[in-house]
Amino acid sequence: DVKVTQSSRYLVKRTGEKVFLECVQDMDHENMFWYRQDPGLGLRLIYFSYDVKMKEKGDIPEGYSVSREKKERFSLILESASTNQTSMYLCASSPWGTRSYEQYFGPGTRLTVT
Amino acid sequence: AQRVTQPEKLLSVFKGAPVELKCNYSYSGSPELFWYVQYSRQRLQLLLRHISRESIKGFTADLNKGETSFHLKKPFAQEEDSAMYYCALRGSGGSNYKLTFGKGTLLTVNP
Repeated sequence: DVKVTQSSRYLVKRTGEKVFLECVQDMDHENMFWYRQDPGLGLRLIYFSYDVKMKEKGDIPEGYSVSREKKERFSLILESASTNQTSMYLCASSPWGTRSYEQYFGPGTRLTVT
Repeated sequence: AQRVTQPEKLLSVFKGAPVELKCNYSYSGSPELFWYVQYSRQRLQLLLRHISRESIKGFTADLNKGETSFHLKKPFAQEEDSAMYYCALRGSGGSNYKLTFGKGTLLTVNP
């Protein structure tokens, strides 16, 4: 059973703080993704990675960075959190190749920036 | 550029009624289309893909290239179908491990 875990379910941070969101998958997937999920805006891709140390910007990368030092772990970093980054953050992973469409999602981290 | 449009944010039907969740797409090549679903307090998960032409939980979806649509249908809705539904597109070529999602439709099936 594919498992994607995220380090926190709920997180409250102050404006200007550096925030780390961690995601770990145990299925040896090559691809990993970070999304924001906001009401009325759906899922928006922030960053994705198709291999260790490789990353590509998604649709809304501004204010975020990522790190993938190990295959199973993909971290999202908010360098200086702002209130407009209050959101639900979803991590996902998928295998390489023809089944890459099947993304497995984590439970989400609800981040509140005050 | 690829785009997925779900025109309805909210859809409410009664149990036993037919349901259709609309999805339109824009893509210059030959896309693959998918439906993902998120039930309350559960993770987002794949529901079905157009290539398999399968029925999952009574839902079907047909890719209509002429109308660039991939609507999700079920003849008799059940209360347990209440969820958020996202249509997603995968393009061809180098970035085909990436999905583009629509904004989602929240389906409520009333008793």
